[in-house]
Amino acid sequence: AQSVTQLDSHVSVSEGTPVLLRCNYSSSYSPSLFWYVQHPNKGLQLLLKYTSAATLVKGINGFEAEFKKSETSFHLTKPSAHMSDAAEYFCVVSDRSSNTGKLIFGQGTTLQVKP
Amino acid sequence: ETGVTQSPTHLIKTRGQQVTLRCSSQSGHNTVSWYQQALGQGPQFIFQYYREEENGRGNFPPRFSGLQFPNYSSELNVNALELDDSALYLCASSPGQGSLNSPLHFGNGTRLTVT
Repeated sequence: AQSVTQLDSHVSVSEGTPVLLRCNYSSSYSPSLFWYVQHPNKGLQLLLKYTSAATLVKGINGFEAEFKKSETSFHLTKPSAHMSDAAEYFCVVSDRSSNTGKLIFGQGTTLQVKP
Repeated sequence: ETGVTQSPTHLIKTRGQQVTLRCSSQSGHNTVSWYQQALGQGPQFIFQYYREEENGRGNFPPRFSGLQFPNYSSELNVNALELDDSALYLCASSPGQGSLNSPLHFGNGTRLTVT
């Protein structure tokens, strides 16, 4: 079975400081991992995806994530937070046991950015 | 390029009623997936339609059903509504059945409230 656990339900940072959103995964397959962002009253937008090509994945808006197999982690980082980064972030694993490619979402982390 | 559109944006229904939610997939996409996102939770996979056939189903009862039309648009139907069905319903389309090269594109969702 595959799952993801987001270690923080809420993270608060000041504008201009680094962002770290933590995610651990569990997978009996070589995992396909994603980070999605959801702004209020909006759908989900793909930030980045890990497809086993490179352990450090760069995404949109300055975000990146590092796949660490030894730690079963896929933490999301950004060097400098912007006010527009305030949103809900989801760590996601693709269910490779089915042919649907269904996504299994974590519980989400709310990122608050203070001026 | 037109993105994924969902209608209506908001809906209020009474327990026991039936509801139909609609989704137009992104141009060129032949696969539609539906997710339910309860308040404060990550989205959960309901089912997927590929070329007008159900292609996989999550842990949802049969009163959740769907359709996909020849133009690849889709409907989600929920019968005998329960209070716990109150959620944001997200539709996502992709150009394939869910490989890593077929990322999901999400609509903004339909907010269903059951009273």
